[in-house]
Amino acid sequence: AQSVTQPDIHITVSEGASLELRCNYSYGATPYLFWYVQSPGQGLQLLLKYFSGDTLVQGIKGFEAEFKRSQSSFNLRKPSVHWSDAAEYFCAVGARGSYIPTFGRGTSLIVHP
Amino acid sequence: EPEVTQTPSHQVTQMGQEVILRCVPISNHLYFYWYRQILGQKVEFLVSFYNNEISEKSEIFDDQFSVERPDGSNFTLKIRSTKLEDSAMYFCASSEDRKNTEAFFGQGTRLTVV
Repeated sequence: AQSVTQPDIHITVSEGASLELRCNYSYGATPYLFWYVQSPGQGLQLLLKYFSGDTLVQGIKGFEAEFKRSQSSFNLRKPSVHWSDAAEYFCAVGARGSYIPTFGRGTSLIVHP
Repeated sequence: EPEVTQTPSHQVTQMGQEVILRCVPISNHLYFYWYRQILGQKVEFLVSFYNNEISEKSEIFDDQFSVERPDGSNFTLKIRSTKLEDSAMYFCASSEDRKNTEAFFGQGTRLTVV
């Protein structure tokens, strides 16, 4: 069975600074990989996904993520964080042939002005 | 933009009572899911539903849970006899296809069992 680890429970950055949120997965083959964002009082919104092809994936809101098979990672990045990016971020992995994403514990992003 | 809608946004119920959480998936989607998130914990898969039957379920989804698609638009999660530990945010999701497509999530229903 697949699993996801998000090692950082909280991340604090200053507005305008760059951001990297870590995600490591465990799965025997090449998985489907996702990043979701949950703003306060909102549902889970898909930021980006990786199914195959180019390992650098562009998403909405200026986010990108890179699939690194050798490190079993799918870290989320943004070059310049905005105050509105403060939210909970979830990495998820889906097994091939059975799209049911398994979520990580989430990383709470705090943005200082 | 089409979206998954869930009602109510917040439900408070007494322990032992039955609750029904409602979801309206995106209209052309075929696969439906329920997830839950206990406060401070990860989002956990409960069940998936396709073609009017459960296609997969987790060990969390025991006999006190049931799902139904009572008409062409609604998808419900029933908890027969709620326990304190059922307090959580419940997310409904739907997807067009099972493979190679994303799931769209609703805003969630926060269930509080007292």
